[in-house]
Amino acid sequence: QKEVEQNSGPLSVPEGAIASLNCTYSDRVSQSFFWYRQYSGKSPELIMSIYSNGDKEDGRFTAQLNKASQYVSLLIRDSQPSDSATYLCAVNSYNAGNMLTFGGGTRLMVKP
Amino acid sequence: EAGVAQSPRYKIIEKRQSVAFWCNPISGHATLYWYQQILGQGPKLLIQFQNNGVVDDSQLPKDRFSAERLKGVDSTLKIQPAKLEDSAVYLCASSSFGGGENIQYFGAGTRLSVL
Repeated sequence: QKEVEQNSGPLSVPEGAIASLNCTYSDRVSQSFFWYRQYSGKSPELIMSIYSNGDKEDGRFTAQLNKASQYVSLLIRDSQPSDSATYLCAVNSYNAGNMLTFGGGTRLMVKP
Repeated sequence: EAGVAQSPRYKIIEKRQSVAFWCNPISGHATLYWYQQILGQGPKLLIQFQNNGVVDDSQLPKDRFSAERLKGVDSTLKIQPAKLEDSAVYLCASSSFGGGENIQYFGAGTRLSVL
């Protein structure tokens, strides 16, 4: 069974700090990776996607992928209280009918 | 561009009753997904449609859950009879066909409480 693992948190960081969120996955044929942000009571919204090994930056967000280690991470620079949410890692395999498998999410708390 | 529409937003029923949820995907999106999200957990895929065909329903409890997408656009998810453990948020998502990225866009969800 394909699995995606995340530390449930909460991860607490002070405002302005870097928040580091981690995710590991079990399916070696996974080919695309996504980070979704979910505010309490709201639906998930996509914030980053990454397909190749290395880093991908978008504003304050950087996604990092290491397929050899089956590891994907999300860095949030200059964290703001508005970043407080649950961050969901999702992994897609084309061999599995383009299905997304989600991790359980990491709850991030940014304290002013 | 309109997003994924879902209704109702909230539903409270008693166990053994039936309930139905409706989803209208983003215009032009051939792929539609239904997820179940239990409080504190990530979304779990229940069923995936490609146009009006089922791609995967391996995690759908078929003894009580059913879903259809008759014309390849709107979809309904039904639970009959409901159990206490069905209390969750039911999320509908859609994505465009053939894209290697498979970026899924989610609706606001239906929060189901089974008493």
